[in-house]
Amino acid sequence: DTAVSQTPKYLVTQMGNDKSIKCEQNLGHDTMYWYKQDSKKFLKIMFSYNNKELIINETVPNRFSPKSPDKAHLNLHINSLELGDSAVYFCASSQGMSSYNEQFFGPGTRLTVL
Amino acid sequence: TQLLEQSPQFLSIQEGENLTVYCNSSSVFSSLQWYRQEPGEGPVLLVTVVTGGEVKKLKRLTFQFGDARKDSSLHITAAQPGDTGLYLCAGGGSARQLTFGSGTQLTVLP
Repeated sequence: DTAVSQTPKYLVTQMGNDKSIKCEQNLGHDTMYWYKQDSKKFLKIMFSYNNKELIINETVPNRFSPKSPDKAHLNLHINSLELGDSAVYFCASSQGMSSYNEQFFGPGTRLTVL
Repeated sequence: TQLLEQSPQFLSIQEGENLTVYCNSSSVFSSLQWYRQEPGEGPVLLVTVVTGGEVKKLKRLTFQFGDARKDSSLHITAAQPGDTGLYLCAGGGSARQLTFGSGTQLTVLP
């Protein structure tokens, strides 16, 4: 009965590799997000999608490419991984795009780039 | 760029003590949310405040939104070990996205 799920939970990889993180929500929400949380616990928005349409694309390198095949899924593909990409990545969802709305977060994916 | 500074960054107290966490900005926000994050998990919403001066209570937690909607505070009465976690404030504005604060790591010792 998990609301927002992400896979994998942990990802350890070498510099230069390409990797993907998957996210699914079963809440029936129409908006999904990717956040990056750095080692100082600072949480920053990367992307948001509403009804499979890209709404927010913060200043994220174009090595990061989100894909939303349907409203319940938002995957994140990262090309040519760099050391600085090491962080915890959180997927979240909400009903509607308003910042008043509660966002439901997944458990996070801890990415370590060696 | 809207920034939210939280203080203190770290707080370690004994069970039963009271504490206040602050969230400050030079920008005005249309809404302010507080989340709590436990190790290995994502943040979970505690409260949303939208009106300047608004006060909301959630059991032993009291949240206040500043009159000018630039700051907020979270007060915990008689803290318990179960309150341990990372507390994040998040401001909402016209950009349809949340700006998260720098976080306060609270540890309540039994």
